[in-house]
Parts: sequence; structure tokens; C-alpha cells
Amino acid sequence: NAGVTQTPKFRILKIGQSMTLQCAQDMNHNYMYWYRQDPGMGLKLIYYSVGAGITDKGEVPNGYNVSRSTTEDFPLRLELAAPSQTSVYFCASSSNWFGQHFGDGTRLSIL
Amino acid sequence: DQQVKQNSPSLSVQEGRISILNCDYTNSMFDYFLWYKKYPAEGPTFLISISSIKDKNEDGRFTVFLNKSAKHLSLHIVPSQPGDSAVYFCAASAQGAQKLVFGQGTRLTINP
Repeated sequence: NAGVTQTPKFRILKIGQSMTLQCAQDMNHNYMYWYRQDPGMGLKLIYYSVGAGITDKGEVPNGYNVSRSTTEDFPLRLELAAPSQTSVYFCASSSNWFGQHFGDGTRLSIL
Repeated sequence: DQQVKQNSPSLSVQEGRISILNCDYTNSMFDYFLWYKKYPAEGPTFLISISSIKDKNEDGRFTVFLNKSAKHLSLHIVPSQPGDSAVYFCAASAQGAQKLVFGQGTRLTINP
């Protein structure tokens, strides 16, 4: 059982570049979430989705975009990468809002 | 504004002893609380939760206590084992919010 799969695991970007962090889940969960974790900090919610076609902003959405065209996939888009977006990004999914299953993260450095 | 706070960045405990991790919150609308455990290079995994209608929930070696009047919860691990060494996150949610607010985490080290 794959659970929540995030790709890539590591990435280095130059300032101003764009990229998409991929997240896929095979548990048929309606709820999906994107978090970022900065050193010594907790997880901050970027965006979340309660079902295909429905997305909403979290605590720190600026500089990011999401889409949810299928139940399985919830990609996170960085349009103009900035050094402040250097972080570890976690995707999570759940059948309800609290029992979240997390992927192993994408470590992103922007130089 | 940090609504969920874990004021101890790290904690070191002897194997076999009790580990107590603490969490404070400020939002009185929070009514569901969770603890997650995270190993390096992995995502957090759910450990235990508690609803605000309870003041204690137990699962094997793990017990969570909730003090609503003090807006404080704690996680007790008894007895502590080397495999418990990890970062522990406290999280909270308000009814209907459909999302969690996480604390900063506490790194627990169990010494043999």
C-alpha cells in the first residue's frame, strides 16, 4: 500500500524558477493538505482540499497555487521561487479532517 | 500568533522512565487534539488523540491528558523506549474547521 506519495524527494531551484510538487494518494481520501515545515517550526498549512474541484487557502498560501482535478492528486505549484520558500513540504490526506496520513516530504532549496 | 505552543524544543529521558511532553493552546474553540510522531526523513504519523469531552485517553504506553481550564494537554509515555526517540507534534482543531493547527514540536531523546 503506497499511501501518500510525494515527488520529488529533493530539489534545488534557482530564484525565479517555477516547479510543481506532486502528491498522490491511493486511499480514496476526500481531504488533502499541503504543509511546509521550516527548521524548528511546526507544520504550517499552505492549502487544503475537501474534494475534487474544491480548494481553500491555509495559513501561508502566498506564492503557491494548487488544483484538485481528481481525488487522487493534489499538486502544489510554485510560480516564482523565492529563498523564503526553502523548506520541507509535506502532503497529507484523510477520509475525515483529523486522521491525516502524511507523505515523506519534499526537501526544497531555493538559491 | 502561535495558537498551539510546545515550549520545550527538546527533552531527554532515561530508557524505562516516564516521558512527559507538554502542549498549550490559546484558542478556546479548539475541541479536538492530536499527537503526531515524526522520525527523520519521514512524514509525521498519528499517535493518539483526545476530544474535549474527555480529560484522558489511553493507548498502550501512551496517554494523553487534557486540562481545558488551563488550555493544556500532555502526552505521557510509560515506559519510554529507544524507538520513542523522535519529534512529537501537538495539533488542535476547532469543530468544523476541517484543518489542524500544529505546535512547533518537541524532540524526545531516550537514552539507554
